Amino acid sequence: EPEVTQTPSHQVTQMGQEVILRCVPISNHLYFYWYRQILGQKVEFLVSFYNNEISEKSEIFDDQFSVERPDGSNFTLKIRSTKLEDSAMYFCASSPRERSGEQFFGPGTRLTVL
Amino acid sequence: GENVEQHPSTLSVQEGDSAVIKCTYSDSASNYFPWYKQELGKRPQLIIDIRSNVGEKKDQRIAVTLNKTAKHFSLHITETQPEDSAVYFCAALNTGGFKTIFGAGTRLFVKA
Repeated sequence: EPEVTQTPSHQVTQMGQEVILRCVPISNHLYFYWYRQILGQKVEFLVSFYNNEISEKSEIFDDQFSVERPDGSNFTLKIRSTKLEDSAMYFCASSPRERSGEQFFGPGTRLTVL
Repeated sequence: GENVEQHPSTLSVQEGDSAVIKCTYSDSASNYFPWYKQELGKRPQLIIDIRSNVGEKKDQRIAVTLNKTAKHFSLHITETQPEDSAVYFCAALNTGGFKTIFGAGTRLFVKA
């Protein structure tokens, strides 16, 4: 069964550095999402993406964040200048057109900002 | 802003008993309500969902009910088993923009 994949599984970076988290959604899916989950807390919506543009974004998704679908398979989240509080698990998800909203999550990238 | 309240935060039941988790949402435009199970260190896994044109849905031991007027939805797990132990999250979204709001989670312990 196809799955969403994410790389790397763990990223350690220094405060102020840029990071790019990568996701490969399920191939025939059309809707893409990024979430974050601080350890022990709830899953927080960052952004949804459809038809090569952002559909919705949360208050967390400020101008330090950006998303891109650079080719037909990858979906990336960039954090321009990381802060300590960006340390979290970041999940990518995707949805098929015919079951909109039904999201399949990737395994996550654990980001640690030192 | 949009919010989803989830209760209880922790639930402990004996194996074979039922478990009920309740959520309330604030955005009246929400029309899709999924439930996710998350085991420690793993990704959230969709276990059941319900759309706003339906009041109840069942899949084996799991059922979900929706009351749109009251903006409540609930997860019911019957005949609980130790492998049901996990954190369960409810969520609500509007399939127009897909902004998904999660509840705070319920940690379910099923004692053998």
